[in-house]
Amino acid sequence: DAKTTQPPSMDCAEGRAANLPCNHSTISGNEYVYWYRQIHSQGPQYIIHGLKNNETNEMASLIITEDRKSSTLILPHATLRDTAVYYCIVQRGGTSYGKLTFGQGTILTVHP
Amino acid sequence: DAGITQSPRHKVTETGTPVTLRCHQTENHRYMYWYRQDPGHGLRLIHYSYGVKDTDKGEVSDGYSVSRSKTEDFLLTLESATSSQTSVYFCAISGKQGGNTEAFFGQGTRLTVV
Repeated sequence: DAKTTQPPSMDCAEGRAANLPCNHSTISGNEYVYWYRQIHSQGPQYIIHGLKNNETNEMASLIITEDRKSSTLILPHATLRDTAVYYCIVQRGGTSYGKLTFGQGTILTVHP
Repeated sequence: DAGITQSPRHKVTETGTPVTLRCHQTENHRYMYWYRQDPGHGLRLIHYSYGVKDTDKGEVSDGYSVSRSKTEDFLLTLESATSSQTSVYFCAISGKQGGNTEAFFGQGTRLTVV
């Protein structure tokens, strides 16, 4: 599975959009981009995923560049409860579901 | 929590003793996984299962064994616990038939080996 590169930390003001970048320049054509987050010491929580089209759900939006070498997770109106470690993961579909390779992620701190 | 229960949630044990952690799911997901999380290492895959009695090793499997005799239960055993196995252990599930592809994680088991 392709490796990802994320900034170690980011800050965001409450109510503003949080834009978290991820580089995955070695991604293959059949690999998806997944985002998870981990709040404090809880288990990771799924946020969103995509293959090549932009995606949006009730939690966030995912923007994938046309060459698929990078993506951005957007939390449109960040709250204090969005403070967490955000992981960008690339994985193939099929039986590798859930066999996720975690990097260090980005620590997002949302300030009042 | 997508119907995942890990037990126990906390455990302190002595070096050399056997320890079994349990992951129980009520969602009928096909795949189950055990991860450990340590400071500076993030989450690392220990073992995973494709189905009943069908398991395979992950990135850091040495010193661990697993068993899955029922769809809903995935057991992680430390045959002889060592201090290096002090960690937080997370179970995950995925692959619900007709469902999406994302994984769901349990709340974790904090294991301390003294």
